[in-house]
Amino acid sequence: GNSVTQMEGPVTLSEEAFLTINCTYTATGYPSLFWYVQYPGEGLQLLLKATKADDKGSNKGFEATYRKETTSFHLEKGSVQVSDSAVYFCALTPNNAGNMLTFGGGTRLMVKP
Amino acid sequence: EPEVTQTPSHQVTQMGQEVILRCVPISNHLYFYWYRQILGQKVEFLVSFYNNEISEKSEIFDDQFSVERPDGSNFTLKIRSTKLEDSAMYFCASRAAGVDTQYFGPGTRLTVL
Repeated sequence: GNSVTQMEGPVTLSEEAFLTINCTYTATGYPSLFWYVQYPGEGLQLLLKATKADDKGSNKGFEATYRKETTSFHLEKGSVQVSDSAVYFCALTPNNAGNMLTFGGGTRLMVKP
Repeated sequence: EPEVTQTPSHQVTQMGQEVILRCVPISNHLYFYWYRQILGQKVEFLVSFYNNEISEKSEIFDDQFSVERPDGSNFTLKIRSTKLEDSAMYFCASRAAGVDTQYFGPGTRLTVL
């Protein structure tokens, strides 16, 4: 079956530090890959996505590249802000009729001023 | 910007009682989903719904669960006889035809006592 593995948190960084959150996946076929973010007390918001190999998704300074050869979709940001503190979820959908999302366990990011 | 809404934001119920969680998907979306997140755990798929029938369901979605689209705007999740282990955050999501991105509501926190 499909699965997503993320690095465990919490990840604690100082403001303006470089961020990497690792994500690897197992899936048949050619899934679409997503990063969702959950700010404290809120629901899940789509951060970025990529639908095919070598695509790069980007939004709000965050980037992730769909690497089929390493089955990875690592999230990066060059300079984090306190407001980026949240839980980040990597997810995939197999692009079948149901399109259910399979999520990783989430990584909590804490950014200190 | 259109968004998915969910009511109530928090529901407290006694074990064995029935609960109905309500969602209003984005108006032109045709695919609807329920997910849940037990505190501290990953987001898990429950069920997908299209054209007035279930497309896929997970092992979690047993006979105690049901979904319905009672009118043109609402999408509901019913739990017939709640158990303590049903305590979780329940997220509704929807997506448009031809795209793979699901948009999530803010969630309903269900507490079973």
